[in-house]
Amino acid sequence: ETGVTQSPTHLIKTRGQQVTLRCSSQSGHNTVSWYQQALGQGPQFIFQYYREEENGRGNFPPRFSGLQFPNYSSELNVNALELDDSALYLCASSLRAGKGGSPYEQYFGPGTRLTVT
Amino acid sequence: KNQVEQSPQSLIILEGKNCTLQCNYTVSPFSNLRWYKQDTGRGPVSLTIMTFSENTKSNRRYTATLDADTKQSSLHITASQLSDSASYICVVKRNNYGQNFVFGPGTRLSVLP
Repeated sequence: ETGVTQSPTHLIKTRGQQVTLRCSSQSGHNTVSWYQQALGQGPQFIFQYYREEENGRGNFPPRFSGLQFPNYSSELNVNALELDDSALYLCASSLRAGKGGSPYEQYFGPGTRLTVT
Repeated sequence: KNQVEQSPQSLIILEGKNCTLQCNYTVSPFSNLRWYKQDTGRGPVSLTIMTFSENTKSNRRYTATLDADTKQSSLHITASQLSDSASYICVVKRNNYGQNFVFGPGTRLSVLP
């Protein structure tokens, strides 16, 4: 186990609703990244938070938003859910290295399976 | 366009056999390349991270190679076990100070007894 936890494990929502997914990072990690993984595909980067600030974003619309808290846990919020939002949502925590440092390892949580009907 | 391609899409082998998975990428600027193992319904687990200067890296029965000139990587699994059945995902990071990871679609490996 990686020490990264996510909740809930599974979730079913209706189109147009809003959802909040949660992630607790591994102890000592200050960076959290969120990914969307559709069935049979590789994960797609949504955004990353470093020390409570967004530190980059993939090609996702503004209705995907997030937060990172002082204890480095994180939330992913999705508004106005669409059917295509059905996916496994993964969070990954890491201890971010400084510029020029060694590549930092990401530790993934087990994911939240979101189904939008 | 920054892309990572993997082949084959799926693979079936018998327990004890070896196999090699391929990864080609067009991501730049290149920082490092990672191989992950993902069991069904679980989060990916890192197998190796390779930087530009590394050609070969081993982790137990997994050996990864990287040719930065041709932008190709491979993951060789030796003496496969039933527990190796999973998706293997190749990931390229674009720079050394940032967050831009480009994931491949994965190769689905099934090891049969």
